[in-house]
Amino acid sequence: DARVTQTPRDKVTEMGQEVTMRCQPILGHNTVFWYRQTMMQGLELLAYFRNRAPLDDSGMPKDRFSAEMPDATLATLKIQPSEPRDSAVYFCASGGRGGYNEQFFGPGTRLTVL
Amino acid sequence: AQSVTQLDSQVPVFEEAPVELRCNYSSSVSVYLFWYVQYPNQGLQLLLKYLSGSTLVKGINGFEAEFNKSQTSFHLRKPSVHISDTAEYFCAVSGSGFQKLVFGTGTRLLVSP
Repeated sequence: DARVTQTPRDKVTEMGQEVTMRCQPILGHNTVFWYRQTMMQGLELLAYFRNRAPLDDSGMPKDRFSAEMPDATLATLKIQPSEPRDSAVYFCASGGRGGYNEQFFGPGTRLTVL
Repeated sequence: AQSVTQLDSQVPVFEEAPVELRCNYSSSVSVYLFWYVQYPNQGLQLLLKYLSGSTLVKGINGFEAEFNKSQTSFHLRKPSVHISDTAEYFCAVSGSGFQKLVFGTGTRLLVSP
């Protein structure tokens, strides 16, 4: 059963600390998305990659957020320095090479910045 | 550019009653349409999708949706809901080709006994 995996599932940190979230897309999928979900803003697209290259990161605060795909099996989202307003659930999703746009979501990383 | 409007932020319903969750979209090009469900503390899961062909699409868990091009709608329906259907439901749209999805703000379905 192919699934998107995310680690850690929960992260509590203090303001100013670096946070790294990891995502393993489904094997063979070539597109990876990062989303942030909060009660106030709902589901926001932060960035997405195709074939490991960033296609759109316009939803991401550039001064503190960075997203990378070191290889086809790993996507990372980093926040440095973290702030309380970054507290949210961060989802990774991956998509295949098919002609339509179904995305498969991971379970999310719940981030709390104190 | 595409956009999605989910008119109801919350829909309360009694168990075994029918339900309809509304979704309207706007797009200047052909679209693909999706409904996702999010159970508490979980990621989003695909319920059903419309790509082309029959306008009535059947999905998992007894849900179905009808694509109406003239009304630019893609409403989700279920004839008889269960307590376990309590969740957040998201409508999404994308253009053809592998593009990003544009999500609605979600509708919380609350099923009570």
